[in-house]
Amino acid sequence: GAGVSQTPSNKVTEKGKYVELRCDPISGHTALYWYRQSLGQGPEFLIYFQGTGAADDSGLPNDRFFAVRPEGSVSTLKIQRTERGDSAVYLCASSQRGGRFTEAFFGQGTRLTVV
Amino acid sequence: EDKVVQSPLSLVVHEGDTVTLNCSYEVTNFRSLLWYKQEKKAPTFLFMLTSSGIEKKSGRLSSILDKKELFSILNITATQTGDSAVYLCAVDSGGGADGLTFGKGTHLIIQP
Repeated sequence: GAGVSQTPSNKVTEKGKYVELRCDPISGHTALYWYRQSLGQGPEFLIYFQGTGAADDSGLPNDRFFAVRPEGSVSTLKIQRTERGDSAVYLCASSQRGGRFTEAFFGQGTRLTVV
Repeated sequence: EDKVVQSPLSLVVHEGDTVTLNCSYEVTNFRSLLWYKQEKKAPTFLFMLTSSGIEKKSGRLSSILDKKELFSILNITATQTGDSAVYLCAVDSGGGADGLTFGKGTHLIIQP
């Protein structure tokens, strides 16, 4: 596609539920990143994929968070047993080159609200 | 732990004014510093800086890096209301996570 696409744009869920957030990167981009941005803060790194594999998942806050990219294109961020503190905007970015973060293109994000 | 600090956190100026946004950093293994403009949700790329003292320019925006003093500035001249946004500074250090370390951003408001 022309840009990074994230769906849904907004998601409201109840505490304890499971959610999936989708990211469709720019075609041909091998590197894909997930970030989380809380109100008044800068984006915080969660996980980086190079192709199908998670090259670095050190930013995932705990084992309730998991992400996959089975075919090296679309990625899904999965959050189990959601908590109110998970409420944030989840941003996805992709770039042509992996290993070095040069110019990345961000999606519009998914605003997750846990009530 | 890598750290990126931006100042001021918020700034209100009048249209036509010039602003300077600051970004200082402490990282283990510096590769590059990037500036983003964030309106609504998606940050959009402005500049990437890797070398000291070389100014990058795009229209009314310019930026420069000082690797000795570990900071960068973003200048916007003749500001317009469309410049209102959060400006994010990020450093690619590669020392830990393979992503960027972002500052909290400067919320810039341009009043007509």
